[in-house]
Amino acid sequence: SQQGEEDPQALSIQEGENATMNCSYKTSINNLQWYRQNSGRGLVHLILIRSNEREKHSGRLRVTLDTSKKSSSLLITASRAADTASYFCATDPREAGSYQLTFGKGTKLSVIP
Amino acid sequence: GAVVSQHPSWVICKSGTSVKIECRSLDFQATTMFWYRQFPKQSLMLMATSNEGSKATYEQGVEKDKFLINHASLTLSTLTVTSAHPEDSSFYICSAPKHRGTDTQYFGPGTRLTVL
Repeated sequence: SQQGEEDPQALSIQEGENATMNCSYKTSINNLQWYRQNSGRGLVHLILIRSNEREKHSGRLRVTLDTSKKSSSLLITASRAADTASYFCATDPREAGSYQLTFGKGTKLSVIP
Repeated sequence: GAVVSQHPSWVICKSGTSVKIECRSLDFQATTMFWYRQFPKQSLMLMATSNEGSKATYEQGVEKDKFLINHASLTLSTLTVTSAHPEDSSFYICSAPKHRGTDTQYFGPGTRLTVL
């Protein structure tokens, strides 16, 4: 069943602006991951943040995690047209060795040149 | 980085036929692989966990006789959609963790199935 819920469902911004997407989940997690999917393609892993971490950076990406609120955010700074894609959060349950991911509904980001 | 491939990338078939989709880990061995399906503009739904050398574990609501999974080797899992119907049309994606104990999974590029 779906656990992660992203908002907004769709986001349209101008190139150069920052894009923020949020994800909420319901159960305890081992880690939370963000993925990107170009239309009709597979998923690309962007960043993973563990349950004991609060913030993580990777290039133009910044992810935060608030386990007390069961929420995470993904910030893409200085967006580019090539960032246009759907972004999904996925939660990895606390059970050891599970590896199963539960995906949110995704945010469709459109970056206008 | 690790690479997972899928074959075919797209397939069109007639209703009632069976379709086999392959998922291969190209540069690592995967004792576990996952199969997801994704309907247009929706998220990924886990269908089953494929385990090398043993039976697959199916998620609630997924018919195991409809979606046959075989994980015959450490680099190959296959998903066969039997007696396909138009409602089976979807995007099927597989994934695999590269190492036990790591959290990152690598996803295949997906297979677009269209049943006429």
